[in-house]
Amino acid sequence: KQEVTQIPAALSVPEGENLVLNCSFTDSAIYNLQWFRQDPGKGLTSLLLIQSSQREQTSGRLNASLDKSSGRSTLYIAASQPGDSATYLCAVKNVAGGTSYGKLTFGQGTILTVHP
Amino acid sequence: ETGVTQSPTHLIKTRGQQVTLRCSSQSGHNTVSWYQQALGQGPQFIFQYYREEENGRGNFPPRFSGLQFPNYSSELNVNALELDDSALYLCASSPGVSRVVYEQYFGPGTRLTVT
Repeated sequence: KQEVTQIPAALSVPEGENLVLNCSFTDSAIYNLQWFRQDPGKGLTSLLLIQSSQREQTSGRLNASLDKSSGRSTLYIAASQPGDSATYLCAVKNVAGGTSYGKLTFGQGTILTVHP
Repeated sequence: ETGVTQSPTHLIKTRGQQVTLRCSSQSGHNTVSWYQQALGQGPQFIFQYYREEENGRGNFPPRFSGLQFPNYSSELNVNALELDDSALYLCASSPGVSRVVYEQYFGPGTRLTVT
């Protein structure tokens, strides 16, 4: 059974700081990994999708890396801003047999607060 | 291009009642997945529908059921509501069931409160 863990559970940083969020998963047989952002009480916004054959993806100030063999991913946020404050979730899509092709397994998230 | 929409936004029900939540998938997407997100937790997979048939199910009891319509919109039905069913219910659509490529796009969610 796939389990996804995110560390830290919460993070508070001053504006402008570079930061790293961590995600680990127990079953390395994944198809892809997605990082999402969730504002309080809202749905999920996809930030980055990394296919299992890729090592990293970048979008603006965000960079996500994937080390499938060790079961780890990191989300790097450069020059953080107060608008980056949100919960960040990682999710993996498994290779598992059967018909749950679209099943994502999520971590519990990291609550990020960037203060001015 | 219209994104994933869900209705209603908020809902309050009493224990034992039944509820129906609705989701319209993004244009061109034929696969819909439903997730339950309890407060402070990550979303949990309920089930997925592909071309009007259930295509996979998570660890949820049979009182959680669904439908997908020919236009690929979907409903989630929950019978005999329990207090623990209080959560944000998220719908996600994707262009197909291929394991490799497709990203899932999420709607804004329906907040269900059971009293």
